[in-house]
Amino acid sequence: SSELTQDPAVSVALGQTVTITCQGDSLTDYYAAWYQQKPRQAPVLLIYGKDNRPSGIPDRFSGSYSGNTASLIITGAQADDEADYYCNSRDSSGNYLFFGGGTKLTVL
Amino acid sequence: QVQLVQSGSELRKPGASVKVSCKASGYTFTNYAMNWVRQAPGQGLEWMGWLNTYTGKPTYAQGFTGRFVFSSDTSVRTAYLQISSLKSEDTAVYYCATGLGSYRRPGDLDYWGQGTLVTVSS
Repeated sequence: SSELTQDPAVSVALGQTVTITCQGDSLTDYYAAWYQQKPRQAPVLLIYGKDNRPSGIPDRFSGSYSGNTASLIITGAQADDEADYYCNSRDSSGNYLFFGGGTKLTVL
Repeated sequence: QVQLVQSGSELRKPGASVKVSCKASGYTFTNYAMNWVRQAPGQGLEWMGWLNTYTGKPTYAQGFTGRFVFSSDTSVRTAYLQISSLKSEDTAVYYCATGLGSYRRPGDLDYWGQGTLVTVSS
């Protein structure tokens, strides 16, 4: 299946921990990647593979998996983390990618 | 450093065509797939497909066949997205993106262009 489901909106108090989830059948076989997108900016890769961060991504961002659900965990959320977050994955052929619908994170 | 630099905003009338460019630098262009991603106003990211920059073979996601064409000119390290018979619903920001962790296959997208706004309006 090429569907990934995300909650449309999540909120977190400043300094607290928040989990953003991404659910889909493909995630039982393939890792998700997570992207952060701020208004009027291009997306930025946050997490890839099991739990890998590109250079420059703060370690308060981490990833985990359980069954068909991938999670992005932000430990100690900052005001600057307010953004849209998208997961993506691939199909079994490796030729097709697809995105989840995105989660808007509000930091209170 | 790796950079993807896209062409500027475009305004077109319905039925016209547009060609968006994405110039790559800082890596071996033909070793990595070039992906295209659409984002309509206020909407999420849609993966449109990818171009095998080594063979020139495009792969289109469902919903992006027929009017959308991916191509490249390896001599200038540039990928192109052409959209024909434009409709108002094609109004969106179009991103090119590549993943240097996946050799000649689509993968995690660690480098993105700045996006090109295409507006279709009469």
